[in-house]
Amino acid sequence: QKEVEQDPGPLSVPEGAIVSLNCTYSNSAFQYFMWYRQYSRKGPELLMYTYSSGNKEDGRFTAQVDKSSKYISLFIRDSQPSDSATYLCAMRGTNAGKSTFGDGTTLTVKP
Amino acid sequence: DVKVTQSSRYLVKRTGEKVFLECVQDMDHENMFWYRQDPGLGLRLIYFSYDVKMKEKGDIPEGYSVSREKKERFSLILESASTNQTSMYLCASSSRVGAVGEKLFFGSGTQLSVL
Repeated sequence: QKEVEQDPGPLSVPEGAIVSLNCTYSNSAFQYFMWYRQYSRKGPELLMYTYSSGNKEDGRFTAQVDKSSKYISLFIRDSQPSDSATYLCAMRGTNAGKSTFGDGTTLTVKP
Repeated sequence: DVKVTQSSRYLVKRTGEKVFLECVQDMDHENMFWYRQDPGLGLRLIYFSYDVKMKEKGDIPEGYSVSREKKERFSLILESASTNQTSMYLCASSSRVGAVGEKLFFGSGTQLSVL
């Protein structure tokens, strides 16, 4: 069983929709939780970074972490065609730069 | 902005060839990483380095080696390329290992095909 499981998608939504992207994990040592966005033929770029449980908001994006359920989510409000990309969740413990990634969810936002 | 540059965007090699993938970062980051990305398997860590001449095995080091002679440059070496090493290879860098807010900065990737 993988340490990080990500909803596989693909996901296709109309412009303006609210998008929910989700990951579950099994390693209780994970404390740092990230979401990366990867456009086609590009490397991933960090979108959101949270520590421990709680919510973090940045513009149209909200990252949510529930450590008791080992579940993290990324919400995108008022989705735009420019949000079309693959979204990767990632997480790590305290002692290294070794992040464990989910497989990614490909999102398409249709105008 | 941090820039992580990978020397080749696409590479085609033959089975058994020795392959070098080069990565350079321009932000004086201590840490550098090599990942491979495959459909259905996500990003998997091959090797990483915390400092010049230091290296640590990641989750899938078999068939690979690395070299870090200078802080800004981290090379991935496939000693004898095999078809199962056909993949997208991503280099990344970061500063301050384990620090709150530590972020990975990725290059654009090298798509390697081994025939």
